[in-house]
Amino acid sequence: EAGVVQSPRYKIIEKKQPVAFWCNPISGHNTLYWYRQNLGQGPELLIRYENEEAVDDSQLPKDRFSAERLKGVDSTLKIQPAELGDSAVYLCASSHLDRGPTGELFFGEGSRLTVL
Amino acid sequence: DAKTTQPPSMDCAEGRAANLPCNHSTISGNEYVYWYRQIHSQGPQYIIHGLKNNETNEMASLIITEDRKSSTLILPHATLRDTAVYYCIVKGGGADGLTFGKGTHLIIQP
Repeated sequence: EAGVVQSPRYKIIEKKQPVAFWCNPISGHNTLYWYRQNLGQGPELLIRYENEEAVDDSQLPKDRFSAERLKGVDSTLKIQPAELGDSAVYLCASSHLDRGPTGELFFGEGSRLTVL
Repeated sequence: DAKTTQPPSMDCAEGRAANLPCNHSTISGNEYVYWYRQIHSQGPQYIIHGLKNNETNEMASLIITEDRKSSTLILPHATLRDTAVYYCIVKGGGADGLTFGKGTHLIIQP
């Protein structure tokens, strides 16, 4: 079974430029999460989807961040415009509410963003 | 979700058992204890979880005290590949995601 796939793995941009990250969850997983991880810190939840609906986006900085999960499968996280403080690793995770414990999330390898 | 407290770092000799403690004194009756680890440049990986009873799987054992206010993750025979940040997380039911702290950086010494 393929794991959670994220791309790109690394991205370097200048401030004020846009950037997008893509995530393909494990097949059949209806819940998808985007996390941000700053250096030396644990991951922080940005947004959670159940199927195509964003059910928790309270921590997403909506002035510059947006996300979508069309058709309830893969998802895109966008930042426009990027700021220096957005440098971090962006992690995608998925889980299936009806299979296994609700705390068992499967994470991708992450997308490391560097804003210059 | 209840807050957890973990030591920031620990060392363990290769081949020995690594015992990682976690305090969660405000845990409520319906909250589980989850352990994840994150190897450098990878995403977090689920290890084990428990509610009241001790649990064991192919990766580790989880010992939860009777009052559930603390727990210990045990890696029985640590290898160099077990060097990682280990996160102890307390979580109730529902799919509302995980709240990560800073975890314990476990370094396995050769």
